[in-house]
Amino acid sequence: EAQVTQNPRYLITVTGKKLTVTCSQNMNHEYMSWYRQDPGLGLRQIYYSMNVEVTDKGDVPEGYKVSRKEKRNFPLILESPSPNQTSLYFCASRRTGGGEAFFGQGTRLTVV
Amino acid sequence: GQQVMQIPQYQHVQEGEDFTTYCNSSTTLSNIQWYKQRPGGHPVFLIQLVKSGEVKKQKRLTFQFGEAKKNSSLHITATQTTDVGTYFCAGSRDTNAGKSTFGDGTTLTVKP
Repeated sequence: EAQVTQNPRYLITVTGKKLTVTCSQNMNHEYMSWYRQDPGLGLRQIYYSMNVEVTDKGDVPEGYKVSRKEKRNFPLILESPSPNQTSLYFCASRRTGGGEAFFGQGTRLTVV
Repeated sequence: GQQVMQIPQYQHVQEGEDFTTYCNSSTTLSNIQWYKQRPGGHPVFLIQLVKSGEVKKQKRLTFQFGEAKKNSSLHITATQTTDVGTYFCAGSRDTNAGKSTFGDGTTLTVKP
């Protein structure tokens, strides 16, 4: 079954404690992306990756890091989380050239 | 930067009424995609439009891409309770680029 898997689904953490949200896809997609979703603001792109070792900033990259060492994985790293990063995060993947993007189930992060 | 505006933000309809959401980009788009997100769920791809003036139908849903490729609409005929959710458009300026900008979404509620 084609899927994008995010972990964890829910996370409550404290300010400044480094965390990683994992994202894995089984469709051999070149393109992967991270979004955050906040009420009234829709989905905002954080980072994306066109292929292994190729990453680029989206619209709201501040406070986040990503890596793409393998095609299937695209982890999102918060080195020093702050309360304004409390949000719902989605990972997505698709093939290069556009078309259907598959989204993970989401990770609800709370930073206190 | 590229902006994608979506209206209305909310729409409440009686079951059986029609519904339309509009998407307007500040720049010419290469393609536009539509997604549906059920309450508590993740965005699910509905369709991609690429050609100027393109019209595509999926059962009761009709999607249009404007002649100038700067606007799009999603029309649902005779809404049903299963249509409840938030509908997002997402535009890209370059099919082969990674950046995509989502509209803020239109949340549809349907009264039985």
